[in-house]
Amino acid sequence: GEDVEQSLFLSVREGDSSVINCTYTDSSSTYLYWYKQEPGAGLQLLTYIFSNMDMKQDQRLTVLLNKKDKHLSLRIADTQTGDSAIYFCAESRLMNSGGYQKVTFGTGTKLQVIP
Amino acid sequence: EAGVVQSPRYKIIEKKQPVAFWCNPISGHNTLYWYLQNLGQGPELLIRYENEEAVDDSQLPKDRFSAERLKGVDSTLKIQPAELGDSAVYLCASSLEQRWGPPHTQYFGPGTRLTVL
Repeated sequence: GEDVEQSLFLSVREGDSSVINCTYTDSSSTYLYWYKQEPGAGLQLLTYIFSNMDMKQDQRLTVLLNKKDKHLSLRIADTQTGDSAIYFCAESRLMNSGGYQKVTFGTGTKLQVIP
Repeated sequence: EAGVVQSPRYKIIEKKQPVAFWCNPISGHNTLYWYLQNLGQGPELLIRYENEEAVDDSQLPKDRFSAERLKGVDSTLKIQPAELGDSAVYLCASSLEQRWGPPHTQYFGPGTRLTVL
């Protein structure tokens, strides 16, 4: 089956950059995603990247994809205390039987931002 | 615009009792998902609906779990009977999807936290 692995915890100081890493196993992944989950809330999509891209930037967020190594990272520049949350990596693959993208989520990385 | 609404937010029941969760997706979203999230884990898909049709229920434990999405809008997820291991957060999400197209954003509700005693 598909596996998406992340480190459990990351602690950074406010103003520093955070880099959250993810590895996946499915070579047929078509899209890779980053979601944010704050306490007591559902997941919120931050950004996603098509598998034939190697980088995407969106304001403070930079996503890097190394498809050969099946490695995805999320860099948050100038990390703020409001960025403290759990970050989930996810990948999707096309289900030929239904024509839809099936998403598999990672285990999540808890980001702690120290003031 | 209202987001995905779920109720109840919290539910505590004794094992072997039935329980039901309700989800109201974002208006106009044709696709609805139920996910199970265990503590310290990512969401795992239980069932995916396109309108009224369950297009992926391969991960739904059908001996005790059931779901329905009448009229292709609201959905309920039921567990009968509940077991201790069912304690988790049950998340509902919705999106507007087209088959064979790129994915669209899944919008998540806040979830229902179930505790089975």
